[in-house]
Amino acid sequence: RKEVEQDPGPFNVPEGATVAFNCTYSNSASQSFFWYRQDCRKEPKLLMSVYSSGNEDGRFTAQLNRASQYISLLIRDSKLSDSATYLCVVNGWNTGNQFYFGTGTSLTVIP
Amino acid sequence: GAVVSQHPSRVICKSGTSVKIECRSLDFQATTMFWYRQFPKQSLMLMATSNEGSKATYEQGVEKDKFLINHASLTLSTLTVTSAHPEDSSFYICSAKPDRGVNTEAFFGQGTRLTVV
Repeated sequence: RKEVEQDPGPFNVPEGATVAFNCTYSNSASQSFFWYRQDCRKEPKLLMSVYSSGNEDGRFTAQLNRASQYISLLIRDSKLSDSATYLCVVNGWNTGNQFYFGTGTSLTVIP
Repeated sequence: GAVVSQHPSRVICKSGTSVKIECRSLDFQATTMFWYRQFPKQSLMLMATSNEGSKATYEQGVEKDKFLINHASLTLSTLTVTSAHPEDSSFYICSAKPDRGVNTEAFFGQGTRLTVV
């Protein structure tokens, strides 16, 4: 079983739509959770960390459910510039503090 | 913000030659750095964890004799792809997590696009 699993999509949504991505992780001892954004042929960049209480940054809301071992990302009022691949990242259960990535979910926002 | 510099950004080499990729943390120390590989339309796959002053830890299925990792200082890790073959062509990305702080993000280099011909 993969450490982190995501629905690869693709998600094609119109501008202004709300879209949600989910991600599950296998190890209950995982400590840190993040959503990264990767544009085509570029390195991943941090979108937001995910905290136990849930957190919001503008149009983006991240939530963590430790009991069910899943993480979600909600994007409201989608913009064309939101088109990218969104990577769920989980960290910390092994020595060495590795970061493990989900397969990524592809989002295309359509005019 | 913290910066990780990766060099070169793009390299084309002949089959059978070796290629070295450098990853530097510019404004923080990183005892641990990570090397990933990404094939087209796939996610990043962790290849190995680079530990300063000790041997790297390789993920299952990654040949340690082919992908040599050296982490000689707290700010530099190198990945050498030895005897490269066309199937090694990929996007290689390093990342580093600052030693200070907990639950901090990882910062990524710009990536190296390797093409073996």
